[in-house]
Amino acid sequence: ETGVTQTPRHLVMGMTNKKSLKCEQHLGHNAMYWYKQSAKKPLELMFVYNFKEQTENNSVPSRFSPECPNSSHLFLHLHTLQPEDSALYLCASSQDGERGGFNEQFFGPGTRLTVL
Amino acid sequence: GQNIDQPTEMTATEGAIVQINCTYQTSGFNGLFWYQQHAGEAPTFLSYNVLDGLEEKGRFSSFLSRSKGYSYLLLKELQMKDSASYLCAVMDSNYQLIWGAGTKLIIKP
Repeated sequence: ETGVTQTPRHLVMGMTNKKSLKCEQHLGHNAMYWYKQSAKKPLELMFVYNFKEQTENNSVPSRFSPECPNSSHLFLHLHTLQPEDSALYLCASSQDGERGGFNEQFFGPGTRLTVL
Repeated sequence: GQNIDQPTEMTATEGAIVQINCTYQTSGFNGLFWYQQHAGEAPTFLSYNVLDGLEEKGRFSSFLSRSKGYSYLLLKELQMKDSASYLCAVMDSNYQLIWGAGTKLIIKP
């Protein structure tokens, strides 16, 4: 495997279900991100982990719960979601060494989530 | 608030040139990125500008004017495979990326 991988690619769940999204990066990066992408809207940053510590949490509802067990893996645990949470969830990673430096983000293919 | 504006959709002809504009208002500036995203795929990095001027990379060029809060992505010799969404993103003073909604580019033969 190379780059950033995400599983599953597609997920349909009911509002009472609990599911998890998985992201793995094979680039040796130290920062990982969860984004939400809805049709015709800007990418919304949800969570950032830098050196396995969560550094950003942009007022995301508690029904989304991130987990970063090591610098290569990132999970997004989902429970009691709402239909408006249906979207493409993208994971990304970067080498976030120096602040102010160029840190291109590499994206995974995303998980297309549908909440019924 | 912070805001990135880019056209929703553009159409161009194969072999032609197209310019996609992006204007931004952000709290601080630490660089501007352009990404390409084909339907159903991950965004992929195209270019990065932090100083004023033009950066050229093959058929793609990106321009930045910090004083005007303005950038454009220039695509030359358009090919059908260039049909995609083009995302503009600015890194703000907190080193967070602020994203535009993307410009869907349709290439016609």
